Amino acid sequence: EIVLTQSPGTLSLSPGERATLSCRASQSVTGNYLAWYQQKPGQAPRLLICDASNRATGIPDRFSGSGSGTDFSLTINRLEPEDFAVYYCQQHGTSLHTFGGGTQVEMK
Amino acid sequence: EVQLVQSGAEEKKPGESLKISCKASGYSFTNYYIAWVRQMPGKGLEWMGIVHPSNSDIRYSPSFQGQVTFSADKSVSTAYLQWNSLQSSDTAIYYCARHNCGCDHWGQGTLVTVSS
Repeated sequence: EIVLTQSPGTLSLSPGERATLSCRASQSVTGNYLAWYQQKPGQAPRLLICDASNRATGIPDRFSGSGSGTDFSLTINRLEPEDFAVYYCQQHGTSLHTFGGGTQVEMK
Repeated sequence: EVQLVQSGAEEKKPGESLKISCKASGYSFTNYYIAWVRQMPGKGLEWMGIVHPSNSDIRYSPSFQGQVTFSADKSVSTAYLQWNSLQSSDTAIYYCARHNCGCDHWGQGTLVTVSS
């Protein structure tokens, strides 16, 4: 089972700043099948990025994903107030998928 | 419009059984896997496993193998998550999601509370 480690645990930033979130896998993610999600309190998660770098339908272009193999990142350019939330990565390159522990992006 | 609508909140006692549902609409139910995800109070997302409504391919995370059962009924476009004997540690929100390049559509979640 691939273990995903997200860092930092919490990111304190101001609106307009850039957020860079990391997701490191314990072994290479086949096909770079790595997704990113956003979750706000009381809501279901929302898919942001799939296949490491492809934005899901309707996701603003300030969200971008990059990386390959074992190291992936999510960048949020020019944070908007609605972007403060918890972000999770997930790999689905093996028959057993796994989530990372999450990064909370909080307002400074 | 793709929608996954889950059954309502449940309050159960330890040892009781439970089956929750996830009804899909707006797409061909048999073409996509359905994933189940647990979120315990104040915690992160845990992938429980996945079921294919057409070919009955089912995979369980080792953490949930033997603890829950997935099923799907093509005739009513509905996936199910079942417990035979609930424990207090099963208290959580359970989400179903369509697997398509990650989980691209999610149900609203079903809160399961297990308490004596």
